[in-house]
This record gives sequence, C-alpha cells and structure tokens, in this order.
Amino acid sequence: KAGVTQTPRYLIKTRGQQVTLSCSPISGHRSVSWYQQTPGQGLQFLFEYFSETQRNKGNFPGRFSGRQFSNSRSEMNVSTLELGDSALYLCASSLGDGTDYEQYFGPGTRLTVT
Amino acid sequence: GQSLEQPSEVTAVEGAIVQINCTYQTSGFYGLSWYQQHDGGAPTFLSYNALDGLEETGRFSSFLSRSDSYGYLLLQELQMKDSASYFCAVSRRGRDDKIIFGKGTRLHILP
Repeated sequence: KAGVTQTPRYLIKTRGQQVTLSCSPISGHRSVSWYQQTPGQGLQFLFEYFSETQRNKGNFPGRFSGRQFSNSRSEMNVSTLELGDSALYLCASSLGDGTDYEQYFGPGTRLTVT
Repeated sequence: GQSLEQPSEVTAVEGAIVQINCTYQTSGFYGLSWYQQHDGGAPTFLSYNALDGLEETGRFSSFLSRSDSYGYLLLQELQMKDSASYFCAVSRRGRDDKIIFGKGTRLHILP
C-alpha cells in the first residue's frame, strides 16, 4: 500500500505571495490532518478534514485554509505569506474511525518564505 | 488550558535503557500516543495507551497513568538508530477532539 504523498517537497516563496500544498492520503483513509513543524515548537495542529468537511481546527489565522476532495486528497492554502510561515508542513492520514491516534505522516513540504 | 510537557533532550549510552516522560494537562483526555521522528524524516507511530498500564512492543514500551496525567516511553537495548526525536501526543474527545503533540524530546545516544 502506498504511503502518504505530499507535493511539492520544497518551495521558496516571497512575502505576500500565496501557496497551495497537496496531500494524497493512504488508500482507504478518510481523515487528513495538517501540521506545521518548526524547530523547538513541535507539531502544531492546523486542521483536520474528514469526508470533505473540516472536522477540527487549530489556532492559526484565517490565512491558513484547506479543503478535501471526494477522493480524500487534501490541499492546504496559505495566503499573504509571512516570514514566520517558513516551516515544514506535514500531512497525516488516518482511517477516521476512532483510531485517529495512529496517524501516518507524509514526508512534508519544506516552505521557505523570503 | 491544555499543555504537554516533555524534556527537550535526553542522552543515553548504546545498549542502555532510557525513559522519556510526558505530563499533560487537558480536558477530554482519551489516550496518549508516541511518535518517533528521525532527522529529515516524517514522524512514525510507535504506540498508544488509552488505559493505565504498560504496553510493550519489542524494545519499546509505553506507560500511562491517567490519575497522574503522566506517561512515559521506555526504550531498551538502545541502538544508534534510536537517535531521533520522540513526541508524545494526546488524543481528546469532545467539542474539540483532535490530537495535540508535545514539542518533542531529542534523544542522543553515545557509543
């Protein structure tokens, strides 16, 4: 079974631009969560999607948004990029059946904002 | 509020045993997970405790005490490949059910 894939793997953007990141979950997984990882801050939860609906949301500004498609693939969008948005963005999928403590992570997208 | 506390770094010797502690404060606590992340890699799931007690998976064991809001990950017969960051994560149920990760413990292993 293929793992979680994320594209692109690396991105360099300029302040003020916007960016869209993509995540394809493991086949059969209906829940997709997004995390931001920065040195010393661990993994900070952005949001979770299940069956095309946002099920949970973390404490991030409205510039961060996402969506999920009917095939469970998910995209995350960040508008009006700031220098502080530079981070590794991780996507994780799970079955969504109550066993969400076991998440499968993709390799991440390394975003650098200059 | 909600919080997870774990040491930022731990150092141990190859072949030894090390324990990484995690204390949490959260409402709607459901269970405690542990993840491992090597440099440049993605976090990978190690274990999950929903009930008090010890869960053993090979060289790794995880413990939970719900009354003490405390858990730990125990790594035995340490190998150099165990050098990584380890995250505890709380699963919550309720109005705001989601997984909250700690900031991670960097494990250094000396030969």
